Amino acid sequence: AQSVAQPEDQVNVAEGNPLTVKCTYSVSGNPYLFWYVQYPNRGLQFLLKYITGDNLVKGSYGFEAEFNKSQTSFHLKKPSALVSDSALYFCAVKGKSGAGSYQLTFGKGTKLSVIP
Amino acid sequence: EAQVTQNPRYLITVTGKKLTVTCSQNMNHEYMSWYRQDPGLGLRQIYYSMNVEVTDKGDVPEGYKVSRKEKRNFPLILESPSPNQTSLYFCASSLSTGQGSNQPQHFGDGTRLSIL
Repeated sequence: AQSVAQPEDQVNVAEGNPLTVKCTYSVSGNPYLFWYVQYPNRGLQFLLKYITGDNLVKGSYGFEAEFNKSQTSFHLKKPSALVSDSALYFCAVKGKSGAGSYQLTFGKGTKLSVIP
Repeated sequence: EAQVTQNPRYLITVTGKKLTVTCSQNMNHEYMSWYRQDPGLGLRQIYYSMNVEVTDKGDVPEGYKVSRKEKRNFPLILESPSPNQTSLYFCASSLSTGQGSNQPQHFGDGTRLSIL
């Protein structure tokens, strides 16, 4: 069965510093990988995705993510954190299940707090 | 404005009293899905629909029903709600080119259900 791990429940970073939110995955075949952000009392918003091609993917609000096939990782990064980046971040993977159908699986989320 | 609309946003009810959470999207998306979000568990898929009159079970379908009579609407039905269905529920939609679609999902703002 496919899975997504976000090893940190919470990440704290000072405003202006670079941030990284980690994600590793396990899936059969080639994965589609996504990052979503959730602000309080709102639904998830799409940030970026990796399908194929360049391992460095750029997305909304200055975020980027690097796909590393050998480490099965898809870490979310931003060069300079803003207080407004404080939110809950979800990594998700879509892959082929054993039965041949596609399944989308979300990680448990990482709460990012940017300290002024 | 492109959006996924859920109603109600908040509901407190009692065990056994049937309820329906509506979901509507105005983007002509084929794919729609329901998730529940619980602390420490992330998002888990309840049901999904690839198109009109086509629905399938997700990871946690027990105690829920759905229907897809029209493309834009995908209501979630709890025939006999129980306290363990107290949760935050999200509806989502996306374009679909089949099960292997890499299109991101658009989420509603959520429905917080409390079953007493």
